[in-house]
Amino acid sequence: DIQMTQSPPSLSASVGDRVTITCRASHSISVYLNWYQHKSGKVPKVLIYAASSLQSGVPSRFSGSGSGTDFTLTISSLQPEDFATYYCQQSHSAPLTFGGGTKVDI
Amino acid sequence: QVQLQESGPGLVKPSQTLSLTCSVSGGSIRSGSYYWSWIRQPAGTGLEWIGRIYTSGSIDYNPSLQSRVMLSADTSKNQFSLKLTSVTAADTAVYYCAREEGGSNFFFDIWGQGTMVTVSS
Repeated sequence: DIQMTQSPPSLSASVGDRVTITCRASHSISVYLNWYQHKSGKVPKVLIYAASSLQSGVPSRFSGSGSGTDFTLTISSLQPEDFATYYCQQSHSAPLTFGGGTKVDI
Repeated sequence: QVQLQESGPGLVKPSQTLSLTCSVSGGSIRSGSYYWSWIRQPAGTGLEWIGRIYTSGSIDYNPSLQSRVMLSADTSKNQFSLKLTSVTAADTAVYYCAREEGGSNFFFDIWGQGTMVTVSS
């Protein structure tokens, strides 16, 4: 199985801050890496797929980068609606696996 | 607009079988290059992928659950289903069904609302 390690597990930030979340895969996954936003009581929502492609309808303040084993999700200017938990997920090979999540709060 | 909706008992007794169905509306589960997955989230923890079924009928399971899980699809009803046997309290979770785009990019683009399943006597 490919293990996904996210860091940090949580972070506190303010509106307007630049936020960076990292995800490391235990084996190379090329660019088969997706990022999801999950708000409490809501359904997970894909933000970034294939490491750096912005899903339709997602604000451009979200961006992704990386390939191989190391990936980054960046929120350029945090907005109030961005406080949530973020997960990376590898789609390189089954079993599909998620990172442990990063909770972003105030 | 494709929509997914989970259904099934919210309470299951230990050692029994958890059965959930995901009904797909707005599109056929036979069309396109899509995988149909089950994912769960125990309270206070992260997301765990359970398994997926492809439009061709091929199935992948999470090895950690493979001995207890069975996925199936009923194309006539446009549904796919999950059965998890010999459940314990550790199987208490919100269960989601989700569609995975399976062309050149693989990601979960549509999710059901999720259904809470509690394992308790």
